[in-house]
Amino acid sequence: NAGVMQNPRHLVRRRGQEARLRCSPMKGHSHVYWYRQLPEEGLKFMVYLQKENIIDESGMPKERFSAEFPKEGPSILRIQQVVRGDSAAYFCDSSPRTGRLSGELFFGEGSRLTVL
Amino acid sequence: DAKTTQPPSMDCAEGRAANLPCNHSTISGNEYVYWYRQIHSQGPQYIIHGLKNNETNEMASLIITEDRKSSTLILPHATLRDTAVYYCIGSSTGNTPLVFGKGTRLSVIA
Repeated sequence: NAGVMQNPRHLVRRRGQEARLRCSPMKGHSHVYWYRQLPEEGLKFMVYLQKENIIDESGMPKERFSAEFPKEGPSILRIQQVVRGDSAAYFCDSSPRTGRLSGELFFGEGSRLTVL
Repeated sequence: DAKTTQPPSMDCAEGRAANLPCNHSTISGNEYVYWYRQIHSQGPQYIIHGLKNNETNEMASLIITEDRKSSTLILPHATLRDTAVYYCIGSSTGNTPLVFGKGTRLSVIA
């Protein structure tokens, strides 16, 4: 898990509030992937971003969820009007422009969202 | 990405070798076999990957069958800290998202 930073590590929100999760990729990495893990389940891909571009958002729910990766700063996963079903661990990882040359993707430690 | 099949759970005695199988009969020629593990609720940790040849690193060995339809991850001397969910994934080395299945829950028993 070298270098991918996610914050906050834990976030508690009430139904209807907004949640913002941040992911800072490894230095030099320009590709970011977000995954969601519901309790007792495996990781599910949500969205793949490059700097200022969404490449693949096939795993994103159609409503309330959005993601961005600006030219400067971390990638942001935003969940509007959270519901209890959004309670999960959200993981992010990063890779360099040239792909997984070393065969590794570097995952962050995740952000755990709890919706009351 | 290739679909993979793994047993849901396995037990292994501490100090013994843990052999975790994975079937990936639909893997394409340019897809590698990756293994990751997730200890408790931490972020997934890369273990090893390979294309055709067997691979070994400080964590584990990966044995891939000649037809590439299956592979085995070997932890040579399992410890209690190896208790985790192990994921086998078939994917390219490009910038494509990983597709995680349910994995194998390995329990190392003292």
